[in-house]
This record gives sequence, C-alpha cells and structure tokens, in this order.
Amino acid sequence: AQSVTQLDSQVPVFEEAPVELRCNYSSSVSVYLFWYVQYPNQGLQLLLKYLSGSTLVKGINGFEAEFNKSQTSFHLRKPSVHISDTAEYFCAVRTSGANNLFFGTGTRLTVIP
Amino acid sequence: DGGITQSPKYLFRKEGQNVTLSCEQNLNHDAMYWYRQDPGQGLRLIYYSQIVNDFQKGDIAEGYSVSREKKESFPLTVTSAQKNPTAFYLCASSSQANTEAFFGQGTRLTVV
Repeated sequence: AQSVTQLDSQVPVFEEAPVELRCNYSSSVSVYLFWYVQYPNQGLQLLLKYLSGSTLVKGINGFEAEFNKSQTSFHLRKPSVHISDTAEYFCAVRTSGANNLFFGTGTRLTVIP
Repeated sequence: DGGITQSPKYLFRKEGQNVTLSCEQNLNHDAMYWYRQDPGQGLRLIYYSQIVNDFQKGDIAEGYSVSREKKESFPLTVTSAQKNPTAFYLCASSSQANTEAFFGQGTRLTVV
C-alpha cells in the first residue's frame, strides 16, 4: 500500500531565506510524484510533478524538487522565499496505472517578514 | 477558461438532511474525483469515476453517494448517514490515471 509522510506540519522561515519541505513515500512499484500548494479556502494548485526522466524537477514560483529513489523521498526546495509563498503544501503520490492520488497531511509554510 | 467549478463555495445544512455538492468540468477529462479535507489529515478519497455511468468507492465512501450521468458532471450527495459531514470538499479531474489531478476551489460544508 502507498503512503506519504510529510515530516513537518509547520515550517516558519524568514523572508528571502531558503526552505526545504520534506516528503517521503512508501511504495514497492513505480510512482509518480507531485507537489501541490493550497492557499486558504481554495483548491489545490500543482507546483511540479515527477513522472520520469531527470530527478531534478523545476516548477512554478521558483520551486524545485528532487526525486531520490533510494531514499524514497521527494523534497521540495526554494532558494529564497517570499511572503506570498505562505500557504499549505501537499506532497502526493500515484503508482503506475492506479486511479488514486495519495496525499500527505500537509506542511504549513509561514514566511516571516 | 477551462477548469473545474464547484458550487456553492459555502453550504450550511441542518443535521439529518441530505445535501448535494456540484462539480462541473470543461476540460474534457475522463476521470473525476471527490476528496474530503479535514485539518491535519490531508485529503482522503471519497469516490472516483473513470468514465460516464461508472464510479468506484474510495477510502471513506460510507455516508456519501455520487452519479456520473454526463462526462462534465460528478455531483456528490452527503447523506444523513455520514456521521461527521462538516468538512472542506474538493472535486478534481484528470485526463488519464497517470497524470496530475486538477482541482476545483472547494465547497465548505457546515452541518449544524
């Protein structure tokens, strides 16, 4: 069975500092990996995805993530955060051919001025 | 603009009443999904549908029902059998199983 673990429920960071949001997954088969962002009382917006190929994936708003198969991780990074990055971030995994996206419990990123 | 429209954005109902949440998409996607979001629990799958007139239960289907009579529409009914219906409900769609899901803006249901 698939599962997704986001190790930090809350991450406070100062404006213009770098940030890493951690995500680990468990699956015995090939996976597709996603990061979504959610602003208050809104739906989820895709930040980036890993389907195959290069393990370093670049997304919108300056975010990037690296797929590490040996560590079963897909951590999200940004070198310099902005106030507008304050939101909740969800990591999700789908196994090849499966119908469901499994989500982590989310990480609330708060950027401090 | 293409996208997924959920309505209403906020919904209040009395305990014991059934309520239907609307979800419409004009992305020509085959697959549609309903998720429930509670604080600190991420998103949990209620029902999904791969094609018209076919749908499957997700992880927390008890107390919910759906229909898929048209490709564009996937309404969710929260029945009186759902023990704790107050939550944020998200509808999503995708073009095929191995791609990302696109989400609507959500409906916040409060049962009093």
